[in-house]
Amino acid sequence: GQQVQQSPASLVLQEGENAELQCNFSTSLNSMQWFYQRPGGSLVSLFYNPSGTKHSGRLTSTTVIKERRSSLHISSSQTTDSGTYLCALERGNSGTYQRFGTGTKLQVVP
Amino acid sequence: EAAVTQSPRNKVAVTGGKVTLSCNQTNNHNNMYWYRQDTGHGLRLIHYSYGAGSTEKGDIPDGYKASRPSQENFSLILELATPSQTSVYFCASGDWGGYFGPGTRLTVL
Repeated sequence: GQQVQQSPASLVLQEGENAELQCNFSTSLNSMQWFYQRPGGSLVSLFYNPSGTKHSGRLTSTTVIKERRSSLHISSSQTTDSGTYLCALERGNSGTYQRFGTGTKLQVVP
Repeated sequence: EAAVTQSPRNKVAVTGGKVTLSCNQTNNHNNMYWYRQDTGHGLRLIHYSYGAGSTEKGDIPDGYKASRPSQENFSLILELATPSQTSVYFCASGDWGGYFGPGTRLTVL
């Protein structure tokens, strides 16, 4: 079965609103990584987060290993945040076991 | 900043033909990865490498070969391309594959 579940599948926000994206996984892991992908574009790593909370500007990632979940919080959303957010769990040495979720498609409207 | 480039960016191939997708990275990363991305499946790992001369099978290696002739270069080879291999292919490098190339859109007719 699907080892990495992301929710919601899609989300529309008014500019300035906050968003909470979830990633739940069904297996043990070494770490979780969050990526951003523009429509038709490449992936950019946002966070590599084995556990706890990390901040970067308006983004916050929280991983709770024992609860098998990770979240990405976007505060004060902007239209430039639109795109797809993907989480990937990593297990084993140096990414030998990587599983991606199918992503959350975010649209921020003015 | 690590740079990962891919060529070609777009490719149309015929069924049964041979296709080679190339990836180059300039940040001296040991690990490199090839993924394909399809609607409904997300990103799936095809092959990866720990360094020059090494290739390992990922989750969906059937129909694909990989070659890592140097630290910088990692190729994905489709010996006999099929329409089911139509997809967007991404190369990545880094300890945890955090640096992605721009992608190659492959269409097999």
